Amino acid sequence: GENVEQHPSTLSVQEGDSAVIKCTYSDSASNYFPWYKQELGKGPQLIIDIRSNVGEKKDQRIAVTLNKTAKHFSLHITETQPEDSAVYFCAASIGGENRDDKIIFGKGTRLHILP
Amino acid sequence: DSGVTQTPKHLITATGQRVTLRCSPRSGDLSVYWYQQSLDQGLQFLIQYYNGEERAKGNILERFSAQQFPDLHSELNLSSLELGDSALYFCASSVDGQGRQPQHFGDGTRLSIL
Repeated sequence: GENVEQHPSTLSVQEGDSAVIKCTYSDSASNYFPWYKQELGKGPQLIIDIRSNVGEKKDQRIAVTLNKTAKHFSLHITETQPEDSAVYFCAASIGGENRDDKIIFGKGTRLHILP
Repeated sequence: DSGVTQTPKHLITATGQRVTLRCSPRSGDLSVYWYQQSLDQGLQFLIQYYNGEERAKGNILERFSAQQFPDLHSELNLSSLELGDSALYFCASSVDGQGRQPQHFGDGTRLSIL
């Protein structure tokens, strides 16, 4: 069925190191992949997204890569800082050209940046 | 600030009661989505409205209902509340109805059932 798997569920990295979160999706027609960051007491905030016609996208310390053949995409955060500590959700659109897509979220990764 | 406003921020009530959660979407957005987030759980999609009409349904219980008004704000009604309904309820909005544009989330309503 429609599914987005996200790993790991928890990740601890030393401040200044890189963090990588990986997701896989099941629908080969998926064409939109947003990433959200949720801080304590807040709603999820869109931090970056990528569409299927692009293999990689960068925004300062954040990058997302997409491998359509393998149906997986990843979030890379470089030079991590304490304010990067949060829960990160990946998502993928499920649907097709002739009907509405819906966004399916992964279960989230709790990222801890260690001082 | 996402531009999506949810009220109230907190609700405490008892089992069997009924509550209404309110959402004002970002200016210009026509779609409103409702999600439930339980402790240590991901985001469970409940329902979507687009320009006043129901567009998609997810895992929404029959005790729950929603609507979108002509001014595009939306309300989620939860009735016959049970302990298991305690959760964060998020509203998101987007400019399109087809699910291909970013969704922008409010800061949620925390519902506690005693």
